[in-house]
Amino acid sequence: ETGVTQSPTHLIKTRGQQVTLRCSSQSGHNTVSWYQQALGQGPQFIFQYYREEENGRGNFPPRFSGLQFPNYSSELNVNALELDDSALYLCASSLVGGMNTGELFFGEGSRLTVL
Amino acid sequence: QKEVEQDPGPLSVPEGAIVSLNCTYSNSAFQYFMWYRQYSRKGPELLMYTYSSGNKEDGRFTAQVDKSSKYISLFIRDSQPSDSATYLCASPHSNYQLIWGAGTKLIIKP
Repeated sequence: ETGVTQSPTHLIKTRGQQVTLRCSSQSGHNTVSWYQQALGQGPQFIFQYYREEENGRGNFPPRFSGLQFPNYSSELNVNALELDDSALYLCASSLVGGMNTGELFFGEGSRLTVL
Repeated sequence: QKEVEQDPGPLSVPEGAIVSLNCTYSNSAFQYFMWYRQYSRKGPELLMYTYSSGNKEDGRFTAQVDKSSKYISLFIRDSQPSDSATYLCASPHSNYQLIWGAGTKLIIKP
């Protein structure tokens, strides 16, 4: 187990609704990244937070937003849900600078279904 | 063209076989390469990373990078049913994001 916990594990929403996903990072890790993984695809980078600030963002619209809290936990918020938002949402915690060695520790993900 | 390409499989082999998993990439700036394993309903977990060209071995796993052909390989010796999973290759695009292949589903038959 990585020590990264995500909630909820599964949820179903309808188009137009809003969703909040939560992540508790591994102890000592100060950086949280969020990825979207559609079925049969590799993860797609959404954004990363470091010291409560967005540190980088992938090609996702502004309706995807996030927060990082002083204890390094994080939230991903998605507004105006679309059918294509159905996916596994992965949270990964790391130390800053851990990208080159791939030392990202992933949670088990939150599976979102949009009907 | 995706920056990292990977055959989705599935790849089915008998227990004990040597498995070869492969990726190609297009961005010459990529320097570090990772292999992750993802079991069903779980998040990816890091298996190995390599820097630039060459081989790296860790137990039954060997990672190989050929930068001249932009080709990444993962070899698994003495494959076990517990190795059945999806294997994803990835490379850092910046200080904050990984670019991933689509993953190859591997099935080891007892």
